[in-house]
Amino acid sequence: KAGVTQTPRYLIKTRGQQVTLSCSPISGHRSVSWYQQTPGQGLQFLFEYFSETQRNKGNFPGRFSGRQFSNSRSEMNVSTLELGDSALYLCASSYGQGKFAGELFFGEGSRLTVL
Amino acid sequence: EDKVVQSPLSLVVHEGDTVTLNCSYEVTNFRSLLWYKQEKKAPTFLFMLTSSGIEKKSGRLSSILDKKELFSILNITATQTGDSAIYLCAVEVGAGGTSYGKLTFGQGTILTVHP
Repeated sequence: KAGVTQTPRYLIKTRGQQVTLSCSPISGHRSVSWYQQTPGQGLQFLFEYFSETQRNKGNFPGRFSGRQFSNSRSEMNVSTLELGDSALYLCASSYGQGKFAGELFFGEGSRLTVL
Repeated sequence: EDKVVQSPLSLVVHEGDTVTLNCSYEVTNFRSLLWYKQEKKAPTFLFMLTSSGIEKKSGRLSSILDKKELFSILNITATQTGDSAIYLCAVEVGAGGTSYGKLTFGQGTILTVHP
């Protein structure tokens, strides 16, 4: 079956702009989580959605937001971009409940560069 | 705050060597520990461990969890150049059979295997 799909794969923005990233999970997965990966901080949890509800949120400012649609697809938005937001944004999907809830399958990521 | 620490941070070996990667954790409401391999793109799932003392194996890779001492190891025997990657350890938290939908990742171990 198809894996996790993220779009766009690469994007360049300038400070102050906003960006929306999209993620389509594996069919049947109801949980989508987002992570920011940078060389200095590693993989950091942004938020997780399960059946359209945000279930958990990491320690990121309110400029970072997300949502999940009824088909489990998810978007994340970053407003008022800062240079420090340059990173690889990874989306991961899972069943979200039961024994294998923690087994995440990652997309290839969206590489954001803020100039 | 939940914490996951991996060691060593980097490791250089030659083909055929055996390596052991370490992961220790301090979290509230432990649910599972996962290992991922990241090459150039998305992390790929290796193992999920929930019970102490039970080894998981996949080919030349194996992993074991010690819930009393709060650590896990990942062993790779007869290493090959294709094993060169970042190995990530992550812990899932939850309670009462429910996942909180968040993985806390360690910094990763960069493994380089020379021919």
